Amino acid sequence: GNSVTQMEGPVTLSEEAFLTINCTYTATGYPSLFWYVQYPGEGLQLLLKATKADDKGSNKGFEATYRKETTSFHLEKGSVQVSDSAVYFCALFHTGTASKLTFGTGTRLQVTL
Amino acid sequence: GAGVSQSPSNKVTEKGKDVELRCDPISGHTALYWYRQSLGQGLEFLIYFQGNSAPDKSGLPSDRFSAERTGGSVSTLTIQRTQQEDSAVYLCASSSTLSGGREQYFGPGTRLTVT
Repeated sequence: GNSVTQMEGPVTLSEEAFLTINCTYTATGYPSLFWYVQYPGEGLQLLLKATKADDKGSNKGFEATYRKETTSFHLEKGSVQVSDSAVYFCALFHTGTASKLTFGTGTRLQVTL
Repeated sequence: GAGVSQSPSNKVTEKGKDVELRCDPISGHTALYWYRQSLGQGLEFLIYFQGNSAPDKSGLPSDRFSAERTGGSVSTLTIQRTQQEDSAVYLCASSSTLSGGREQYFGPGTRLTVT
């Protein structure tokens, strides 16, 4: 079945540091890939997406590239801010097997001054 | 426009009682999903509606859980004879036909606590 594996947290960074959160997936065919963010006390928000191999999703300074050869969708940001502190979820959607999102376990990011 | 709304935002109930959780999707979104977020299990899919029918109920954990959707809009998730392990945040999401269900927009969730 489909699955998503993302790096364990928490990740603690100083402001302006470079961020990478690793995400790999297992799925047949060509799923769509997403990063969702959950700020403290809030619901899940779609951060970025990629629907086919080599697509790059980007939003709010975050980027992730759909790598079919390594089945990965790592999230990156060049310079994090305190306001980026949140839990980040990698997810895939595959209509071929089930019309639902399969999520990773989430990675908590804490950015300090 | 208005996003996905859920009510109540918080619900505390005694073990053995029934609860109903409500979801109002984004207007015009034909697909509706329920997920559960708990500390031990992460984010789990529960059920998917397309219009008023539920082609995928595979995530419902037991027959105490049921859901319905009426008028292609509002959905209600019902948990009968609640147990402590039902304590979680229940999330609803909706999606338009145009995105094929891929872009799902989530509500704020209902935090259920079973005492």
